[in-house]
Amino acid sequence: EAGVAQSPRYKIIEKRQSVAFWCNPISGHATLYWYQQILGQGPKLLIQFQNNGVVDDSQLPKDRFSAERLKGVDSTLKIQPAKLEDSAVYLCASSRTLEAFFGQGTRLTVV
Amino acid sequence: GDSVTQMEGPVTLSEEAFLTINCTYTATGYPSLFWYVQYPGEGLQLLLKATKADDKGSNKGFEATYRKETTSFHLEKGSVQVSDSAVYFCALSSLAGRRALTFGSGTRLQVQP
Repeated sequence: EAGVAQSPRYKIIEKRQSVAFWCNPISGHATLYWYQQILGQGPKLLIQFQNNGVVDDSQLPKDRFSAERLKGVDSTLKIQPAKLEDSAVYLCASSRTLEAFFGQGTRLTVV
Repeated sequence: GDSVTQMEGPVTLSEEAFLTINCTYTATGYPSLFWYVQYPGEGLQLLLKATKADDKGSNKGFEATYRKETTSFHLEKGSVQVSDSAVYFCALSSLAGRRALTFGSGTRLQVQP
């Protein structure tokens, strides 16, 4: 079974620029999550989708972050404009039941 | 809201030593509890889980018991190996949290030969 795919693996941008991350979940997984993991901390939920509907986006900074999951499969997370404090690893995860499977993440550095 | 507190690292042990990483949680209702591991250069992987009180999760020699009376889920291994060097995250999933994972801050384990 293929795992959760994320791209790019690494991204360096200047502050105030925009960036987008892509996630392809495991086939058949209805639930998709985006987490932000700042260095030295545990992952924190940004947004949760069930199929193509948003279940929880209460911790998403909506003034600069947006996410979508078209057709209930792939998802993109966008940051516009980026700030220095957005430097982190962005993790995508998917689940069908209780267990969540994680991608390798995208490491974003904002300079 | 839900929260997880785990012991700070780094934890440095010699090979074959006994490992305990403490984890306590706060949640309403009856959450499911997890330990995830992140090896260097790799993504988060589920190590073990427990879904109800007194359940014991186990995998690769690691164990953790869901203790509702103490709201704890401590990770233990009787004899660590160099290959166990990684960052370990305790996490919970609850209905109130719509089943999304709430993570602790992680504990880095370094095992020396």
